[in-house]
Amino acid sequence: GQQLNQSPQSMFIQEGEDVSMNCTSSSIFNTWLWYKQEPGEGPVLLIALYKAGELTSNGRLTAQFGITRKDSFLNISASIPSDVGIYFCAGLIEDSNYQLIWGAGTKLIIKP
Amino acid sequence: NAGVMQNPRHLVRRRGQEARLRCSPMKGHSHVYWYRQLPEEGLKFMVYLQKENIIDESGMPKERFSAEFPKEGPSILRIQQVVRGDSAAYFCASSPPGQGDNEQFFGPGTRLTVL
Repeated sequence: GQQLNQSPQSMFIQEGEDVSMNCTSSSIFNTWLWYKQEPGEGPVLLIALYKAGELTSNGRLTAQFGITRKDSFLNISASIPSDVGIYFCAGLIEDSNYQLIWGAGTKLIIKP
Repeated sequence: NAGVMQNPRHLVRRRGQEARLRCSPMKGHSHVYWYRQLPEEGLKFMVYLQKENIIDESGMPKERFSAEFPKEGPSILRIQQVVRGDSAAYFCASSPPGQGDNEQFFGPGTRLTVL
């Protein structure tokens, strides 16, 4: 089946640092979604991308839909303690408008 | 605006018992999706329902699992004769009707533990 490779698996960063994570696949996607999940909670939608090349920001978060439609990245600038959590990419493949394929997540940990 | 609601938040069952997980979508949303998440993994699609219709259950095990979304009331994910391997977090998501809006909004999940 389709797979999304999300990296890195985890990140240990200092408060104030910028963060970058990405997802790649061998399949073509027509939508990319970035979610954040905190312990004991469901994923919360951060950014949705619908067009190849699209660059979208939400506060300190910026995400891009890759030109090849096979990848996407998420950047977080000037990280703060509440950014801690697991970030997931999820995508809709070309022939589906509902079945989300998920990456395995990037765990963000901020060093004190 | 209430978000997607799921209950119970935690459910403990012994092997062989039945588990019933409930999901109330966001107001105005008529599409419901169930996902399963194991520790340290992403979510895995199980089933997609609209009111009184199962649209796609390709991600759901053929045996012991069933889902419904009746005309009135919440969507139910039912697991019969649970086994230890069913222990996981089960998430429900909803989206509004119509084409073109692919954003799914998730509930807080039900954490099922099978003893």
